[in-house]
Amino acid sequence: GAGVSQTPSNKVTEKGKYVELRCDPISGHTALYWYRQSLGQGPEFLIYFQGTGAADDSGLPNDRFFAVRPEGSVSTLKIQRTERGDSAVYLCASSLPHSPLHFGNGTRLTVT
Amino acid sequence: GQQVMQIPQYQHVQEGEDFTTYCNSSTTLSNIQWYKQRPGGHPVFLIQLVKSGEVKKQKRLTFQFGEAKKNSSLHITATQTTDVGTYFCAGRTGSARQLTFGSGTQLTVLP
Repeated sequence: GAGVSQTPSNKVTEKGKYVELRCDPISGHTALYWYRQSLGQGPEFLIYFQGTGAADDSGLPNDRFFAVRPEGSVSTLKIQRTERGDSAVYLCASSLPHSPLHFGNGTRLTVT
Repeated sequence: GQQVMQIPQYQHVQEGEDFTTYCNSSTTLSNIQWYKQRPGGHPVFLIQLVKSGEVKKQKRLTFQFGEAKKNSSLHITATQTTDVGTYFCAGRTGSARQLTFGSGTQLTVLP
């Protein structure tokens, strides 16, 4: 079946611009996670959704970052006033309750 | 907050040699998972350990969870070039759903 789909695969934006990253989870997966991965590092937790609600957003670095999942399926990660330090690969993962995470291929964000 | 450390950061081995990566948590874990990320790819789940002292095997891979549930290891016997990639441990504490990843061990296998 289809895996986790993330779009776009690559995004280049200028410092100060707004970006949206989209994640289509595996159908039926109620849990959805956003992680950020910098080169040579492990995935860094950003936010976790159970259904439509953000059950844990403790990993969002500041208020420029926001994520939604309005219908409990597709999720969008939104970054305002992007900074060069936001450049990274943004990974989305979905899972069934108490099950392993299935990751998408990620969106590589470059802020120039 | 919870921290998960992995050593070594890099490991180069000749094909056929064994490889081990170690994972240590600053807090007691409810479970630990291992993932493999090939170059240019995304993390792929390998296994989950839940019980204190648990040992699981997958062909040439052996996974252990420490008695205190604060450390874990992955051992690969007789490495092959297909084992190349970065191996991450990831742990949960209590009932938290957040999965904290270690920094990973990048394995290079020389033919």
